[in-house]
Amino acid sequence: DAGITQSPRHKVTETGTPVTLRCHQTENHRYMYWYRQDPGHGLRLIHYSYGVKDTDKGEVSDGYSVSRSKTEDFLLTLESATSSQTSVYFCAISESTSGSPSDFGPGTRLLVL
Amino acid sequence: RKEVEQDPGPFNVPEGATVAFNCTYSNSASQSFFWYRQDCRKEPKLLMSVYSSGNEDGRFTAQLNRASQYISLLIRDSKLSDSATYLCVVNKGYGGSQGNLIFGKGTKLSVKP
Repeated sequence: DAGITQSPRHKVTETGTPVTLRCHQTENHRYMYWYRQDPGHGLRLIHYSYGVKDTDKGEVSDGYSVSRSKTEDFLLTLESATSSQTSVYFCAISESTSGSPSDFGPGTRLLVL
Repeated sequence: RKEVEQDPGPFNVPEGATVAFNCTYSNSASQSFFWYRQDCRKEPKLLMSVYSSGNEDGRFTAQLNRASQYISLLIRDSKLSDSATYLCVVNKGYGGSQGNLIFGKGTKLSVKP
């Protein structure tokens, strides 16, 4: 299996609190992505990174920010969590210019009360 | 037409059966196509890319029909372990290569003994 981990794996938080999810890879892949998966929707891209300090917005970026200070770490921050951000969050990595993730992390289940 | 559309299923088939899924896409400019599989409460895993000429990987065959704007996945000799949700992924056909994938909602396959 690819070396990609996410922490925490589960989190319950309250509306209005900041939350940071961490993705860590040991594959030295250039591209990293944050997706969310909700019932009735396909996976939707939140933000992605194409290198250290290089990030861009995805389809559903409102309310989220990201940072990538090292190749191996990609952080997703919910500045002020809302109930609509209750979801399963997947990190993914790729070396491909096609934009298709080669591997996904195990996911973080976030519940915002 | 929705950007990417899949029959949600479930497809219930006996072991050894052949099963096929289709996925339609709306943008004729789309150039990259993929199939992922996702087990229940797990992360998606890249199954295969879909090439213009069609491609095969063991019991799995993927095909692209540009004229009718759909891709297909054929599974021969189904195994119990093939039970999963199969995600169709298509690039938007515009913008850069990164951050431009659309994930379908998935087709659920259940293989019974």
